[in-house]
Amino acid sequence: DAGITQSPRYKITETGRQVTLMCHQTWSHSYMFWYRQDLGHGLRLIYYSAAADITDKGEVPDGYVVSRSKTENFPLTLESATRSQTSVYFCASSGSVDPGVTQYFGPGTRLLVL
Amino acid sequence: SQKIEQNSEALNIQEGKTATLTCNYTNYSPAYLQWYRQDPGRGPVFLLLIRENEKEKRKERLKVTFDTTLKQSLFHITASQPADSATYLCALDEAPGGTYKYIFGTGTRLKVLA
Repeated sequence: DAGITQSPRYKITETGRQVTLMCHQTWSHSYMFWYRQDLGHGLRLIYYSAAADITDKGEVPDGYVVSRSKTENFPLTLESATRSQTSVYFCASSGSVDPGVTQYFGPGTRLLVL
Repeated sequence: SQKIEQNSEALNIQEGKTATLTCNYTNYSPAYLQWYRQDPGRGPVFLLLIRENEKEKRKERLKVTFDTTLKQSLFHITASQPADSATYLCALDEAPGGTYKYIFGTGTRLKVLA
């Protein structure tokens, strides 16, 4: 049972390059989320998706693009990477429309933008 | 807007003692409040959820309390062990009434000394 996976686990890129972080879950969960985690800020929501082809912005969406053509995949793209996007990125999924349902997190992607 | 405050200073306690971590929020009382554990280099893992109308929730050595008057949740680990050393995150639903989107605190690092 793979659960939720992220790739790559580590990425170094340069300012201005496009980067795509992948997220895959095997539970067929409806909801998926992208967070970034920075020292002093905790986890901040970038984008989320309630179902395939339904996405919406979170707290810090600028500079990021998401898509969800299939329920199990939720890629996050940095269109033109900036140093401020150096962070640890976590994908999460949740299986119910009911509030109060736990989120399951992936292992994270550490991104360094030079 | 809602803000979560967790003690950013690390908490060091002796093995066998009870660890108590605090989560304070500033605005509306959340319908749901969750606690997660995060180990270095890993994604958060769900531990417990407590609802607005619940005063206390237990799971094995873990206990969570929720005081809407004080706008506070306490997270207790009894008979603590070195394996309990981790960062503990508090999360609560983003909007009054409960949603599937959560905001997270910055976490408190717990170190249990043998």
